[in-house]
Amino acid sequence: NAGVTQTPKFRVLKTGQSMTLLCAQDMNHEYMYWYRQDPGMGLRLIHYSVGEGTTAKGEVPDGYNVSRLKKQNFLLGLESAAPSQTSVYFCASTDTFGGLNSPLHFGNGTRLTVT
Amino acid sequence: GQQLNQSPQSMFIQEGEDVSMNCTSSSIFNTWLWYKQEPGEGPVLLIALYKAGELTSNGRLTAQFGITRKDSFLNISASIPSDVGIYFCAGEPHGNKLVFGAGTILRVKS
Repeated sequence: NAGVTQTPKFRVLKTGQSMTLLCAQDMNHEYMYWYRQDPGMGLRLIHYSVGEGTTAKGEVPDGYNVSRLKKQNFLLGLESAAPSQTSVYFCASTDTFGGLNSPLHFGNGTRLTVT
Repeated sequence: GQQLNQSPQSMFIQEGEDVSMNCTSSSIFNTWLWYKQEPGEGPVLLIALYKAGELTSNGRLTAQFGITRKDSFLNISASIPSDVGIYFCAGEPHGNKLVFGAGTILRVKS
């Protein structure tokens, strides 16, 4: 049981390039989330999905797009990368929202550097 | 948007000491959660709190949901080297989203 898998683990982009981060979960979870983690700022929610085919904006959605075509996958796209998007990106999923009975399961992160 | 103020930002303590960290919010939360993140990994849930005034323990960890629903603390007793990591508070203001604090970096000297 792999849990939440993020690919790639590391990536370096030049300003203006595009890329897609993939998150896959094998727990049949309904809810999936993309966060970015920056020093001194904790985890900030970019976009999330409450089910296949649905997406919604989080706290810092600008410059990112997402898609949830299949329940197990949640893709985060950067159409034109900027240095401000240098960060560590975490994907998370949960079955039903809330608490210890259904905690957020996090992937191990993708470290993205935009030069 | 929602903001959580977590303190302290970092702690460097001697093995065996007790640790205390807290989070405050300007608005009411329905749920408070505490996560731990180790290097190279995603955060893992430690404790979840659902009711104002609730005090919950998980081994050497104890957390409380403040009466005003705007704060929470986490205590770690008799710290050990494997306690090192970043501890995050998180709250659920409403809906299916969590807001995270900036984290407390814990280092333990053995």
